[in-house]
Amino acid sequence: GAVVSQHPSWVICKSGTSVKIECRSLDFQATTMFWYRQFPKQSLMLMATSNEGSKATYEQGVEKDKFLINHASLTLSTLTVTSAHPEDSSFYICSYYSDQETQYFGPGTRLLVL
Amino acid sequence: AQKITQTQPGMFVQEKEAVTLDCTYDTSDQSYGLFWYKQPSSGEMIFLIYQGSYDEQNATEGRYSLNFQKARKSTNLVISASQLGDSAMYFCAISIGGGYNKLIFGAGTRLAVHP
Repeated sequence: GAVVSQHPSWVICKSGTSVKIECRSLDFQATTMFWYRQFPKQSLMLMATSNEGSKATYEQGVEKDKFLINHASLTLSTLTVTSAHPEDSSFYICSYYSDQETQYFGPGTRLLVL
Repeated sequence: AQKITQTQPGMFVQEKEAVTLDCTYDTSDQSYGLFWYKQPSSGEMIFLIYQGSYDEQNATEGRYSLNFQKARKSTNLVISASQLGDSAMYFCAISIGGGYNKLIFGAGTRLAVHP
């Protein structure tokens, strides 16, 4: 099956700094990908959808200016958490959409904002 | 709006026994997909099984099978011959959108397999 990598797997930062998370597909290209967020002991919540070459579409309640998504190529997408605060501490997971039956998830990035 | 409900926060099962994890959904879409994912403590999302809304037969993948009842809007996951490695969180999800690719997840069920 397809492999999706995320970097970094763990990040700790100070409040007010920005953090960039990379999501890379290693063996296929996809125009559509998703970013999810998972708080402790909760389910995954879709944050945004991005298509290569166009702006991301954000779900209701997700600040687009705070969570910057750049779908730079068919194999790379980045999520930048700007001016991070402790409440942004979470598990961030990306996924690449292949077809109706298939969505490949990355291993996730744990963000802790102090 | 679409909604996924998993009413079992936690389940226990004896090793080698079968277990059923419940999932109901609500959607006004005629076409949709239903997924089950396993999430171990590492956090990765492992795809288990998929059922399309127009599939008449219940999906099966190895030890995983679905009891899909469209009229009741339920898609329960059956894990046969449980193994210790099956201990994890299990999430049910529905895919929506034009190409039905957005996933809406349920709250999850934590499964513990006892030796």
